[in-house]
Amino acid sequence: KQEVTQIPAALSVPEGENLVLNCSFTDSAIYNLQWFRQDPGKGLTSLLLIQSSQREQTSGRLNASLDKSSGRSTLYIAASQPGDSATYLCAVLDSNYQLIWGAGTKLIIKP
Amino acid sequence: ETGVTQSPTHLIKTRGQQVTLRCSSQSGHNTVSWYQQALGQGPQFIFQYYREEENGRGNFPPRFSGLQFPNYSSELNVNALELDDSALYLCASSLAQQETQYFGPGTRLLVL
Repeated sequence: KQEVTQIPAALSVPEGENLVLNCSFTDSAIYNLQWFRQDPGKGLTSLLLIQSSQREQTSGRLNASLDKSSGRSTLYIAASQPGDSATYLCAVLDSNYQLIWGAGTKLIIKP
Repeated sequence: ETGVTQSPTHLIKTRGQQVTLRCSSQSGHNTVSWYQQALGQGPQFIFQYYREEENGRGNFPPRFSGLQFPNYSSELNVNALELDDSALYLCASSLAQQETQYFGPGTRLLVL
């Protein structure tokens, strides 16, 4: 059974710092991995999607990597800003076409 | 091209009642998936519909049921509501089962 874990559960850093969020999964049989952002009380915003054949994706200050063999993904945020404060969720599309989610990392960027 | 829409946005029900949530998929998408997100947790997969047939179900009791219509829009029905059913319900559509899922804004359900 696929399980997704995100570490840390919460992170607080000063504005301007670069940071890394981690996501691990137990079964490497995935179609893709996706990172989402969720603001309090809101829905999901898709940030980056990495297909199983890819190693990384970039969008602006965000870079996501995927190492399928070790069951790990990282989301790198460069030059963090207070507007980056949110909960970040990762999800894998498993072999049954189901998105399996981590519990999220709550990120606070201090001005 | 319109995105995924959900209705209603918010809903308050009492224990024991029944509720129907609706989802309109993105144009051309034949697959709809439903997720439940309790406060402070990641979403949990409820079930998926592919071309009007249920295609995969998570660990949810039978009182959670659904439909997909010929235009690929979908409904989630929950009978005999319990307090723990209070959550954000998210719907996502995709071009095919293994393709990227695009999410609607969600329906926030409160059961009193």
